Amino acid sequence: AQTVTQSQPEMSVQEAETVTLSCTYDTSENNYYLFWYKQPPSRQMILVIRQEAYKQQNATENRFSVNFQKAAKSFSLKISDSQLGDTAMYFCAFTPTGANNLFFGTGTRLTVIP
Amino acid sequence: DTGVSQNPRHKITKRGQNVTFRCDPISEHNRLYWYRQTLGQGPEFLTYFQNEAQLEKSRLLSDRFSAERPKGSFSTLEIQRTEQGDSAMYLCASSFDLDRRLDTQYFGPGTRLTVL
Repeated sequence: AQTVTQSQPEMSVQEAETVTLSCTYDTSENNYYLFWYKQPPSRQMILVIRQEAYKQQNATENRFSVNFQKAAKSFSLKISDSQLGDTAMYFCAFTPTGANNLFFGTGTRLTVIP
Repeated sequence: DTGVSQNPRHKITKRGQNVTFRCDPISEHNRLYWYRQTLGQGPEFLTYFQNEAQLEKSRLLSDRFSAERPKGSFSTLEIQRTEQGDSAMYLCASSFDLDRRLDTQYFGPGTRLTVL
């Protein structure tokens, strides 16, 4: 079974500070992809960053970076220089290579405080 | 706007009625997915199309649910004899699988269904 766990239901961060959202997953697959999606209030889900499991180098996208620890099955998201527009639900998601669907965690609600 | 679109955005219906939602994927995407998201939860997979073929269905997709993608473009999701437990956000996503490494799913804004 594939499961994704986000243990932080809510987090807050001061504007311009750094915050890290945690995600762990459970799978017996060796090849897979991991994603962080952002869902702003009343707006659609957008991809923040993705990581291929076969790549040891952590993915980065501007202010967003991940800490991928394959052995620990951990995939945390770091947001640097937090902005008010970062306020959203953040979902960690996983898909085995060749699978046809994403498995999502329950999300972390992030609030950026001015 | 070349993103995934969904209509209607909101639907309120009475228990027992049938509802149909539409999803228009990104035009060059050959894969289309339906998910359901209830309050406080992440999206859960319902079904998946490759072109016009429905290749996978979740056990969440009861026989009251049916999805089609007749010409490999837009898709419809119909729920018959709606129940209050069907109240949720229904999300559509699309992707392009020519190169599996590029198979990122792009989501639409969703259709929020409320069953009274």
